[in-house]
Amino acid sequence: NAGVTQTPKFQVLKTGQSMTLQCAQDMNHEYMSWYRQDPGMGLRLIHYSVGAGITDQGEVPNGYNVSRSTTEDFPLRLLSAAPSQTSVYFCASSLTGVGTEAFFGQGTRLTVV
Amino acid sequence: AQSVSQHNHHVILSEAASLELGCNYSYGGTVNLFWYVQYPGQHLQLLLKYFSGDPLVKGIKGFEAEFIKSKFSFNLRKPSVQWSDTAEYFCAVMNSGGYQKVTFGIGTKLQVIP
Repeated sequence: NAGVTQTPKFQVLKTGQSMTLQCAQDMNHEYMSWYRQDPGMGLRLIHYSVGAGITDQGEVPNGYNVSRSTTEDFPLRLLSAAPSQTSVYFCASSLTGVGTEAFFGQGTRLTVV
Repeated sequence: AQSVSQHNHHVILSEAASLELGCNYSYGGTVNLFWYVQYPGQHLQLLLKYFSGDPLVKGIKGFEAEFIKSKFSFNLRKPSVQWSDTAEYFCAVMNSGGYQKVTFGIGTKLQVIP
């Protein structure tokens, strides 16, 4: 059972660099989402998707892009990394809603210097 | 808009002590409620959920939570904690309208001392 697979696990970027965090799920879930986790702030929704070809913004979307060309994959792109984007990023998928009964990936610890 | 409050940010208990973590939400309509757990260095896992029916919900590892609609609360309980329960616990709420999205609380770190 692969579940939700996120890569990479760790990443260091320089300010201004771009990169893509990969997320794939093998459970045929329609709902996928990206969160960032920061100390004292819990999980905040960045972007989400309710099915292939459909994406929408969460509460902290600035500086990030997503696309959902297939049911399985939901990559998160950082356009021009900033130190404020230093965080732990989690991808999640669900059958029933965005974050509901969700399966989470192992997380990506991103540091922007 | 929905919001979630977790009052205790850091709780320290000895093994065998009883646990109750508070969770209150602000949304007047029908809600679905969740508790997730994040063990050190790991991803979040669903602990238990409430959609409807019996307001006392039992989850994995001996945890339970009670939905009290009049108090807008969904507190997590365990009668006797173990060292392995050391983790961060997140309450989450979802309103039933529109695209179903949860809002997470900021989390409560539980440290269980052997």
